[in-house]
Amino acid sequence: AQSVTQLGSHVSVSEGALVLLRCNYSSSVPPYLFWYVQYPNQGLQLLLKYTSAATLVKGINGFEAEFKKSETSFHLTKPSAHMSDAAEYFCAVSDRGFGNEKLTFGTGTRLTIIP
Amino acid sequence: DGGITQSPKYLFRKEGQNVTLSCEQNLNHDAMYWYRQDPGQGLRLIYYSQIVNDFQKGDIAEGYSVSREKKESFPLTVTSAQKNPTAFYLCASSTRQGGNTEAFFGQGTRLTVV
Repeated sequence: AQSVTQLGSHVSVSEGALVLLRCNYSSSVPPYLFWYVQYPNQGLQLLLKYTSAATLVKGINGFEAEFKKSETSFHLTKPSAHMSDAAEYFCAVSDRGFGNEKLTFGTGTRLTIIP
Repeated sequence: DGGITQSPKYLFRKEGQNVTLSCEQNLNHDAMYWYRQDPGQGLRLIYYSQIVNDFQKGDIAEGYSVSREKKESFPLTVTSAQKNPTAFYLCASSTRQGGNTEAFFGQGTRLTVV
């Protein structure tokens, strides 16, 4: 079974500092990996996804993530935090099999930006 | 604009009542999903449907029911058998094209039992 572990349920960084949100996955087959962002009382918006092309994936709002198979990791980074980045972030994994698109989510990381 | 519409945004239910949450999409996606979100637990899959007139249980299906009579619609009924229904419910859809999937989410329905 697939699973995702997000280390740190809460992360605080200063405005302008590096953002690093950690995600490790477990999958018996090469996975698809995703990062989603959620603002209060809203749905989820896709930040970026890994589907086996480049291991460094660039997403929206200046975020990027690197797929590291040896470490089974897909950490999310942003060089300089902005106040508008305050939200909850979810890492998710899905199987590659055709028709197996359902996502398994981590428990989320709430990002707080300190002015 | 294409997207997923969930209604209502807020819903209050008395104990012992069934309620139905609506989810409609105009993205022409084959697959649709219902997730439940509780603080600190992430999103958990309730039911999913990969094609009209077919659906499968997810990880926490007990106390819920769904139907998929139309491609565009995937309503979720929270029955009185669901012991703790207060939560945020999210509907999503995805395409099956080429096995490269991306799920699109609605804005959610917050259900409160009073």
